[in-house]
Amino acid sequence: QLQLQESGPGLVKPSETLSLTCTVSGGAISSNSYFWGWIRQPPGKGLEWIGSVYYGGSTYYNPSLKSRVSISVDTSKNQFSLKLSSVTAADTAVYNCARGNWDRYYFDYWGQGTLLTVSS
Amino acid sequence: QTVVTQEPSFSVSPGGTVTLTCGLSSGSVSTSSYPSWYQQTPGQAPRTLIYSTNTRSSGVPDRFSGSILGNKAALTITGAQADDECDYYCVVYMGGGISVFGGGTKLTVL
Repeated sequence: QLQLQESGPGLVKPSETLSLTCTVSGGAISSNSYFWGWIRQPPGKGLEWIGSVYYGGSTYYNPSLKSRVSISVDTSKNQFSLKLSSVTAADTAVYNCARGNWDRYYFDYWGQGTLLTVSS
Repeated sequence: QTVVTQEPSFSVSPGGTVTLTCGLSSGSVSTSSYPSWYQQTPGQAPRTLIYSTNTRSSGVPDRFSGSILGNKAALTITGAQADDECDYYCVVYMGGGISVFGGGTKLTVL
């Protein structure tokens, strides 16, 4: 059974860079059938797609976040990571990682999510 | 940027049928948008219900079904149960690797 687990600092100061990692177990991250994505949910609000990374390293980002986002894959550790720069309080959210099916463009497995708070 | 629209809230009686929709601020949702639907209870990760318009994810009961109605994607729940009361999100694939979530529908069963 595939499992995804987010990890991160929990608290980041305004203007700093947020870094989160998603560890994948029960399956290989280096499969050309899937892509890997980050989705976030501010408290009391809806889900927002942040970006995705495909087999081979191609990345796609939400246009509203594109200037601040970077997603990368470490196949040796079966992990993928999110970096979001110049954070503000508006970036406070639960961040979920998920696996996507590239041929039908949907997310089939989700991590439980990690709360990241931006505060001084 | 195109916005994916969903009803903010909806109510259904226990045992009743409800259809939630997912549209675009500009244009139509079609099968080539690969609409998918997710169910989320408070404090939990989303659960995949429907993908590629009308394919149920593994383990999803057949009282959940997806379709295209006019220019929107639709999620129909038949025989609504108390534990169907939660939030429902659609996702539309825009092409070029870009996916967009709808704002979500809060479903009340009463």
